[in-house]
Amino acid sequence: RKEVEQDPGPFNVPEGATVAFNCTYSNSASQSFFWYRQDCRKEPKLLMSVYSSGNEDGRFTAQLNRASQYISLLIRDSKLSDSATYLCVPWGAGSYQLTFGKGTKLSVIP
Amino acid sequence: DTGVSQNPRHKITKRGQNVTFRCDPISEHNRLYWYRQTLGQGPEFLTYFQNEAQLEKSRLLSDRFSAERPKGSFSTLEIQRTEQGDSAMYLCASSHLDREGGYTFGSGTRLTVV
Repeated sequence: RKEVEQDPGPFNVPEGATVAFNCTYSNSASQSFFWYRQDCRKEPKLLMSVYSSGNEDGRFTAQLNRASQYISLLIRDSKLSDSATYLCVPWGAGSYQLTFGKGTKLSVIP
Repeated sequence: DTGVSQNPRHKITKRGQNVTFRCDPISEHNRLYWYRQTLGQGPEFLTYFQNEAQLEKSRLLSDRFSAERPKGSFSTLEIQRTEQGDSAMYLCASSHLDREGGYTFGSGTRLTVV
């Protein structure tokens, strides 16, 4: 099983839609989880941190299920500017490195 | 604080040549990381420094790759005898010791080996 698995998409959604991305991770010792967004040919930027069962920041909600080793990202009221690749990143399983998934590509359509 | 700075932004080199990239982290960040990213993939870990000490190296980091952080500030990544498979975006990131996992990435150096 890969360390991090994400649906690569692309997810093509209309403006205003709600979209959810899923991510599974293999290392149960992971302590924290991060969602990064990456615009085309740009560097990843931290979107959300998840240390317990979940986190909410405006239109973005992340939920963690440690028993199932599963984390999700929900985006409500999608904006054109949300178009990007979203990277799921577990952290802390005995290493300081972040292990990135391949990411899920989102395109928000006018 | 101008963020993480990487130079050059782009580098085109002939196969077999050596190249060196530089990363200047955020000044108060004592952890520095190098990642490599190819098209359609997430960033892959290469190596990590805490201050001047190189604490982790990936198996991806072959003998042709070497990284240094001599005074615990800026870092360099050198690739010797470049191969076409080295073509990628090389990303540097830094973080503060007490803020686990919250990396700030630089804009990257895009390497093309021809």
